Amino acid sequence: KNEVEQSPQNLTAQEGEFITINCSYSVGISALHWLQQHPGGGIVSLFMLSSGKKKHGRLIATINIQEKHSSLHITASHPRDSAVYICAVRRGNQFYFGTGTSLTVIP
Amino acid sequence: KAGVTQTPRYLIKTRGQQVTLSCSPISGHRSVSWYQQTPGQGLQFLFEYFSETQRNKGNFPGRFSGRQFSNSRSEMNVSTLELGDSALYLCASSSREAPNSPLHFGNGTRLTVT
Repeated sequence: KNEVEQSPQNLTAQEGEFITINCSYSVGISALHWLQQHPGGGIVSLFMLSSGKKKHGRLIATINIQEKHSSLHITASHPRDSAVYICAVRRGNQFYFGTGTSLTVIP
Repeated sequence: KAGVTQTPRYLIKTRGQQVTLSCSPISGHRSVSWYQQTPGQGLQFLFEYFSETQRNKGNFPGRFSGRQFSNSRSEMNVSTLELGDSALYLCASSSREAPNSPLHFGNGTRLTVT
């Protein structure tokens, strides 16, 4: 069993739609990261959370420590949001990664 | 500020050879971590260095090693390459020792083992 589960694995949306990507984890963590990876491999760190909610532009990330669950929301989605979104958690000395959600936003 | 720089970008090696990858962190960042990404296993944590000391290590065989220099630049070495080592190797730097530091990733080194 993976320590980090993401859903959905694949997501196709029309431009302008509200998007939610979910991440559940099974271990106690000290921090959770949301990462964005575009074709070609480069990874950008979107958020690092240990509690509550963070917002950056059209992106919102929330975490519920008790339920071991985090969500990444994209409002007013745009084709440039098309990428793979990866949830990563840190527990002690280890990082654990979800398998990613591949998002395609169609104009 | 310049970002995280990884060299080389692409590398082709033969089974049994060894390889060294380099990562230059953002200026002022003292923590460097390394990751392997493959289509089958996804992203996996290799190791993490802070102030020239390996602080954490993932579940990889001893063929994978690394080090960090006094200027925070880091190298990772893979000896006796196997076909399964073909992957994208990413490094990330942060300004403080994790876990409460955002990660800044390089563009990766794509290693192909033939």
